[in-house]
Amino acid sequence: EAGVVQSPRYKIIEKKQPVAFWCNPISGHNTLYWYLQNLGQGPELLIRYENEEAVDDSQLPKDRFSAERLKGVDSTLKIQPAELGDSAVYLCASSSRTGPSYEQYFGPGTRLTVT
Amino acid sequence: EDKVVQSPLSLVVHEGDTVTLNCSYEVTNFRSLLWYKQEKKAPTFLFMLTSSGIEKKSGRLSSILDKKELFSILNITATQTGDSAVYLCAPYGGATNKLIFGTGTLLAVQP
Repeated sequence: EAGVVQSPRYKIIEKKQPVAFWCNPISGHNTLYWYLQNLGQGPELLIRYENEEAVDDSQLPKDRFSAERLKGVDSTLKIQPAELGDSAVYLCASSSRTGPSYEQYFGPGTRLTVT
Repeated sequence: EDKVVQSPLSLVVHEGDTVTLNCSYEVTNFRSLLWYKQEKKAPTFLFMLTSSGIEKKSGRLSSILDKKELFSILNITATQTGDSAVYLCAPYGGATNKLIFGTGTLLAVQP
C-alpha cells in the first residue's frame, strides 16, 4: 500500500512569493490533514478535511494561506505571499476512520525555506 | 488552554539501556493518546491508548496511560541505535477534536 505522497520535498523561495504544496493521501482515506511543524516543535494542525469539506480550519491563517480538496482525494495548500516566518516543514496526513480516536499516517513533508 | 508536556526534552543512552519517556497532558474533551516516532522525516505511528492501565506492547516498546493522573509513559527496552529519533506524544481531544502534539523527546542511542 502506497503511503501519503507529498511534493515537492523541498522548496526555497523569496519572501512575498507564492508557493503551493501538494498531497495525495492513502487510497480510501477520507480524512486529510495539513500540519505545520517548526524546528524543535510538534506538528500543529492547520486544516482538516472530511472528503471535500474543510471541517476544521480554525488554525489556518486565512489572510495568506488557502487550501482545497476539490474531489475529496488529493489536496493543495497555498501560501501567498510567503513571509520569513513561514519557513517550516508542512506535513500532510490522512486517516481512514472518523470518530473520537484514530490513527493518522503522515507523508514525508515539504520543507519550506523563505529567504 | 490544552497543554502537553513531554520529559525529558532530550536523552542520551547507550545501546542496551532501558529508557522511559514521559508525557503529561491537560486536554479538554480527552479521547485517546497517541505516540509517534519521528526520524528525519514523517512521524510514524507507534501506539494509540484509550483505556487506563492497559499496557500496549510492540516488540521492545510498550506504553501505558493513566487517565486519572493525566499522563502516559513510553518504555523502550534493550535500546538500539535505530531507536534514535524524536518521540512525540499526542493526546486527541480539545475543543475541535484534534491531535495536540507535545514538543517531543529527542532520544540518542550511542553504540
